[in-house]
Amino acid sequence: SQQGEEDPQALSIQEGENATMNCSYKTSINNLQWYRQNSGRGLVHLILIRSNEREKHSGRLRVTLDTSKKSSSLLITASRAADTASYFCATDQNSGYALNFGKGTSLLVTP
Amino acid sequence: DAGVIQSPRHEVTEMGQEVTLRCKPISGHDYLFWYRQTMMRGLELLIYFNNNVPIDDSGMPEDRFSAKMPNASFSTLKIQPSEPRDSAVYFCASSPSGLSYEQYFGPGTRLTVT
Repeated sequence: SQQGEEDPQALSIQEGENATMNCSYKTSINNLQWYRQNSGRGLVHLILIRSNEREKHSGRLRVTLDTSKKSSSLLITASRAADTASYFCATDQNSGYALNFGKGTSLLVTP
Repeated sequence: DAGVIQSPRHEVTEMGQEVTLRCKPISGHDYLFWYRQTMMRGLELLIYFNNNVPIDDSGMPEDRFSAKMPNASFSTLKIQPSEPRDSAVYFCASSPSGLSYEQYFGPGTRLTVT
């Protein structure tokens, strides 16, 4: 079953702009992860945030988590054409290892 | 390490035929996952293994699907008989034990059933 729901479904911006994607989920989690998928490729892990964390940074990525609202956001700052991809949030099932993925946000960054 | 290896990368078969997808996880990873991705349903977890033992197969759509992991370096996902609605991209992923929970995905197998 899919628990994470990303918003928006598609996002188009220009290079240099910031891109924000949101994820909402339904039940309690231990952690939430964000993945990127380039066209025709497998998913690549970007960042994990635990339920007791509120914000996390990795390079140009900033992730926030609000467990009271059951939502997370991924911010990509100073976007580049190479950031063009689909972005997925994934919430864990009970064990922490099995993940539920949303349908993703398709990001297009134009030069 | 070469990463997660899947074969074949593309498979075209006729309805009713048996299809076998293969996966070699990253050496040392204790968890192996099979996913299916379609436009309509997104990415669905089919089954996952821990130390070669199936832990949760509740995502397997029906009895036509079966998965095995005979050893730590090899897993198969079999569909018999295949149907057009099985057309999708099938991903294998592996993960080490511990608290990182990060999954490493293979390149996927694009299956087309005509």
